[in-house]
Amino acid sequence: GAGVSQSPRYKVAKRGQDVALRCDPISGHVSLFWYQQALGQGPEFLTYFQNEAQLDKSGLPSDRFFAERPEGSVSTLKIQRTQQEDSAVYLCASSLQAGAHTGELFFGEGSRLTVL
Amino acid sequence: DQQVKQNSPSLSVQEGRISILNCDYTNSMFDYFLWYKKYPAEGPTFLISISSIKDKNEDGRFTVFLNKSAKHLSLHIVPSQPGDSAVYFCAASGTSYDKVIFGPGTSLSVIP
Repeated sequence: GAGVSQSPRYKVAKRGQDVALRCDPISGHVSLFWYQQALGQGPEFLTYFQNEAQLDKSGLPSDRFFAERPEGSVSTLKIQRTQQEDSAVYLCASSLQAGAHTGELFFGEGSRLTVL
Repeated sequence: DQQVKQNSPSLSVQEGRISILNCDYTNSMFDYFLWYKKYPAEGPTFLISISSIKDKNEDGRFTVFLNKSAKHLSLHIVPSQPGDSAVYFCAASGTSYDKVIFGPGTSLSVIP
């Protein structure tokens, strides 16, 4: 399809395991964002890429979280040594423009992570 | 500290009536405001936006009003339809920002 694709849709991990979440943005979109959405909350910003450059990672909650977009298209969010508080839906969004000042982001369906 | 607030977690409205969803923000650097709609198990989808140079933007049944002096915006849906039942997120951004900041959301139920 032509939308933002995320995989896996659902992931169950045991505490301490590493997980990798994939985002395939809309082709040609310059900007890519990762958000974390806890139950009953709004999406919280994690990190932003402009092409392959990670310009803002101020929202990453700890050094266990790492994101990359090596070729400026597909992105991976990696969480090392998962903890129960990492349980959330991880949303990826892309935008045609650089930056987010027009705010019109296209979201994927999200990856729901449950850490037991 | 939440920069975008939606103080009503939920709202119920009769079909055909007006739905009014409210949002407040604290950061005066925001100059672009948006509403996103989210159905269960789907990602948020863009609904309508407004720039800070305007005080109203209308798109079909949806109108967003901005009161900059009060740092307040609202989304009006009229007439409300059962298919409008979803979670609505207010969001804000700006020319000096590289991110969109979301509020906690309001769950709207439109009763047939």
